[in-house]
Amino acid sequence: AQSVTQLDSHVSVSEGTPVLLRCNYSSSYSPSLFWYVQHPNKGLQLLLKYTSAATLVKGINGFEAEFKKSETSFHLTKPSAHMSDAAEYFCVVSDLEGNEKLTFGTGTRLTIIP
Amino acid sequence: GAGVSQSPRYKVAKRGQDVALRCDPISGHVSLFWYQQALGQGPEFLTYFQNEAQLDKSGLPSDRFFAERPEGSVSTLKIQRTQQEDSAVYLCASSLALAGASYEQYFGPGTRLTVT
Repeated sequence: AQSVTQLDSHVSVSEGTPVLLRCNYSSSYSPSLFWYVQHPNKGLQLLLKYTSAATLVKGINGFEAEFKKSETSFHLTKPSAHMSDAAEYFCVVSDLEGNEKLTFGTGTRLTIIP
Repeated sequence: GAGVSQSPRYKVAKRGQDVALRCDPISGHVSLFWYQQALGQGPEFLTYFQNEAQLDKSGLPSDRFFAERPEGSVSTLKIQRTQQEDSAVYLCASSLALAGASYEQYFGPGTRLTVT
């Protein structure tokens, strides 16, 4: 069985300050981990993915995440928030045994304060 | 290029009606997934196809839900005798990969189903 826990349902940061969205995972196998973003009335978009290569993963729009096996964490960060980053963010886990169905966290809503 | 498309984008059904939701995956994508996203929640897996074969339907919530992909391309999710708890956004995703390979799932915009 696999699962993810997003520790904050809502995060607010000021424009230009760092962003940290926290995620812990549980997986029976070597996991693949993802962050997806969902803007209002738009489809889910992949930000970045970890698939057992480098533990520090760089994604689009300046986001990055670090896979820490000892902490079972995969936190998403960005050095400087932009107004366009306001959206819902989902941490997602999958294993490569069997099919590749994705298991989503409950989401973190990121608000950017001007 | 064209992404994953879904139709209709919005559907209002009276309780007890049957509905059919369509997904057009990216051309050439082998794998197709359906997810259900309730209001304020993350998407939850419903079912998975590899070409025309339905390999996993463990997430379908009841026997009122049925999905098919007869020619390995377009897929239809059918819900019979809709109930209020079926109200959600239904997301379709497709990917190139076969099982066991690294992949990315590309999501469509979803169909928002409201059962009154």
